[in-house]
Amino acid sequence: EVQLVESGGGLVQPGGSLRLSCAASGYTFSSYGINWVRQAPGKGLEWVSGVSGSGDITYYADSVKGRFTISRDNSKNTLYLQMNGLRAEDTATYYCARSISVTKPYYCDCWGQGTLVTVSS
Amino acid sequence: DIVMTQSPDSLAVSLGERATISCKSSQTVLYSSNNKNYLAWYQQKPGQPPKLLIYWASTRGSGVPDRFSGSGSGTDFTLTISSLQAEDVAVYYCQQYYSVPNTFGQGTKLEI
Repeated sequence: EVQLVESGGGLVQPGGSLRLSCAASGYTFSSYGINWVRQAPGKGLEWVSGVSGSGDITYYADSVKGRFTISRDNSKNTLYLQMNGLRAEDTATYYCARSISVTKPYYCDCWGQGTLVTVSS
Repeated sequence: DIVMTQSPDSLAVSLGERATISCKSSQTVLYSSNNKNYLAWYQQKPGQPPKLLIYWASTRGSGVPDRFSGSGSGTDFTLTISSLQAEDVAVYYCQQYYSVPNTFGQGTKLEI
């Protein structure tokens, strides 16, 4: 069974940093791209970032470019999102979601349960 | 960026009746070289992550009941639930994956 489990969320002050993790199991991790998608409280879905199966191609939404860094460790079957310069508008539940394509962000056939990030003083 | 616009924002349908949700993209999501529409639909129930329903505009995801169907091409798409069940109460999102950034519609809340 494919499983994605996020961790690392929490309360952080504006301007602070946080690193999210997503542990994958039940499939060959490097054979799929993987994304971060967020959802602000009571709002819709926003694609944030994606990375290819090998980790050498990364994609970002303009809203996080230059502040967030996506990476993956295929030896540990784990995806990361390093978030720096956090703002109140980054407050959201962050989901990791498997992309059906190995190279580009495509539709996501499996999602984690999400981890909540709250940016507030 | 491609803007995805869903209508209506909310919808109330009786049990057993048909529900129809529209999704329009600001530019085509039909890739001419393979004739595929890069459009997906998701269902999100309260407190749960999204679940893939439809991809390539009309292909049902694994385990998705056949009362769910997707149609359309180019810039205009429709998600249809042929006979609404109580467990279909959720928010539905369309998503384009034709170009980066992938973008979602604002969501349609389906109620009974």
